[in-house]
Amino acid sequence: NAGVMQNPRHLVRRRGQEARLRCSPMKGHSHVYWYRQLPEEGLKFMVYLQKENIIDESGMPKERFSAEFPKEGPSILRIQQVVRGDSAAYFCASSPFLGDTQYFGPGTRLTVL
Amino acid sequence: AQTVTQSQPEMSVQEAETVTLSCTYDTSESDYYLFWYKQPPSRQMILVIRQEAYKQQNATENRFSVNFQKAAKSFSLKISDSQLGDAAMYFCAYRSARREQGGSEKLVFGKGTKLTVNP
Repeated sequence: NAGVMQNPRHLVRRRGQEARLRCSPMKGHSHVYWYRQLPEEGLKFMVYLQKENIIDESGMPKERFSAEFPKEGPSILRIQQVVRGDSAAYFCASSPFLGDTQYFGPGTRLTVL
Repeated sequence: AQTVTQSQPEMSVQEAETVTLSCTYDTSESDYYLFWYKQPPSRQMILVIRQEAYKQQNATENRFSVNFQKAAKSFSLKISDSQLGDAAMYFCAYRSARREQGGSEKLVFGKGTKLTVNP
């Protein structure tokens, strides 16, 4: 059973461009979570999704950030008009059931020039 | 809001020795889960151990064990017979156990402790 997959592993964008981060949960997992890790910090929750629904986006910045988890395909975290402060590692986690342990992907390291 | 504090930014241990990493948390809830995750240089987040707050028995996974003190809101991780491969950042995390619509499924993390294992 493959683990949580994220791509790309590294992404470089110039200020003002868009960044798209993809997450494929483990097989059988319908709950997806996105976290952001700034340098020298722990992970901070951004958003929790189930298939086709955003359940909790309390940690997501109100502007420029959006997330989706369509019926088919990976979950996407989209950052529009990136700024240098968006540079961070973005982790996706998945779980099979509500309340179950979250398993993490390897992360996407976003660098904004 | 819940908070998690790891007061040791860095720790070191000799290979084969034992080390304890500290974690305290603040919550008004009575039912929750606590976790320790390991992040090696590859940056992959790996689950080390999980503790349910309603269980009095401390969780154990091979060389890893916890000391869960619910009244003190303390959740320390003990690594026995330390190995070079244990070198990593260790994060303590909290999650509510409330099962309500839109409930808190999010993990709340501490800032981490960097563990160095000396040969």
